[in-house]
Amino acid sequence: AQSVTQLGSHVSVSEGALVLLRCNYSSSVPPYLFWYVQYPNQGLQLLLKYTSAATLVKGINGFEAEFKKSETSFHLTKPSAHMSDAAEYFCAVSGYGGSQGNLIFGKGTKLSVKP
Amino acid sequence: NAGVTQTPKFQVLKTGQSMTLQCAQDMNHNSMYWYRQDPGMGLRLIYYSASEGTTDKGEVPNGYNVSRLNKREFSLRLESAAPSQTSVYFCASRERGGVAADTQYFGPGTRLTVL
Repeated sequence: AQSVTQLGSHVSVSEGALVLLRCNYSSSVPPYLFWYVQYPNQGLQLLLKYTSAATLVKGINGFEAEFKKSETSFHLTKPSAHMSDAAEYFCAVSGYGGSQGNLIFGKGTKLSVKP
Repeated sequence: NAGVTQTPKFQVLKTGQSMTLQCAQDMNHNSMYWYRQDPGMGLRLIYYSASEGTTDKGEVPNGYNVSRLNKREFSLRLESAAPSQTSVYFCASRERGGVAADTQYFGPGTRLTVL
């Protein structure tokens, strides 16, 4: 069975500070990992995904994430936070085909950015 | 391309009433999904359709039915709404159902309140 744990339901940073959102996964097969962002009252938008091509994955809006198998982690980072980054972020994992190909989501981390 | 569209955007029901949430995608995707989002719970899969003509239960299917009307459309029906079904409902689609690396694309959501 697969699962995702996001550490911290709320993270607050100052504008210009480093953003670090944590995600740990559990999977019995090599995973595919995704980060989605949800702005208020909107649907989810893909930020980036890991599909085993490279361990450091770059996404949209300056975000990146590093897949660390030894730590079963896929933390999301951005060097300098912007006010527009305030949103909720979801980490998700999937395995291979069939129902294992379905996404399992973490509970989300709400990011606040202070001026 | 409109992507994934959902109707209605908002709905208020009384306990025991029925309704159908509509979802359509114009990306020629094979797989479609219905999720519910509750505060602090992330997204949970209700039902999915890996390909036209097939549907399967997800994590929280009780109280719901689905219909894959054609390749474009996937509807979610609440036969007898209950207050526990108050939630935000998201539809998503993916190009290839058995390919876990494929991105899921989400609609804008339907906010449902059951009184």
